[in-house]
Amino acid sequence: NAGVMQNPRHLVRRRGQEARLRCSPMKGHSHVYWYRQLPEEGLKFMVYLQKENIIDESGMPKERFSAEFPKEGPSILRIQQVVRGDSAAYFCASSPGRDQQNEQFFGPGTRLTVL
Amino acid sequence: RKEVEQDPGPFNVPEGATVAFNCTYSNSASQSFFWYRQDCRKEPKLLMSVYSSGNEDGRFTAQLNRASQYISLLIRDSKLSDSATYLCVVKISASKIIFGSGTRLSIRP
Repeated sequence: NAGVMQNPRHLVRRRGQEARLRCSPMKGHSHVYWYRQLPEEGLKFMVYLQKENIIDESGMPKERFSAEFPKEGPSILRIQQVVRGDSAAYFCASSPGRDQQNEQFFGPGTRLTVL
Repeated sequence: RKEVEQDPGPFNVPEGATVAFNCTYSNSASQSFFWYRQDCRKEPKLLMSVYSSGNEDGRFTAQLNRASQYISLLIRDSKLSDSATYLCVVKISASKIIFGSGTRLSIRP
């Protein structure tokens, strides 16, 4: 019973390149959340998705960032034209549904370094 | 004012001590509450949910005070392996989940 999977675990990009981060939720989970964590800081909510739908993207920067969760395959967080300030750990979490008591289970994260 | 506030610490206590953290939240519509722990450079892991009546899991006790809008975590007989950052999480709705910045705990031998 695999947990939340994220890949790659580490990603190095040069300024101006694109970064694609992938997240496969736990089996049976249809809700995915993406968070960003800067060094020595807390987790910041970015986006909440269900299959084929973006439910809340209030935490996403207005430009360069996008997310999707297609019917088949993992959720993707895409960062275009990366800048040094995008360097952070990006965590994905999944939960089974909308019930208020549903906990989130986190993946191991992708550490993005922008040179 | 932050929506969820925690004392960042660090709390540095000897092995075997009892330690308690509080976390305050500002939105009275908050529905669910959780404590997570996060080890250095690892993902957050659920420690326990916090129920209105309070709940205990081994050496860990969580309590919720809705009137004063805070939750607490008590760790008894602390172990070296308890050293971590403890994150307070407040869920206002399915899409509005706020993480505190965390309280760092260091247990010394």
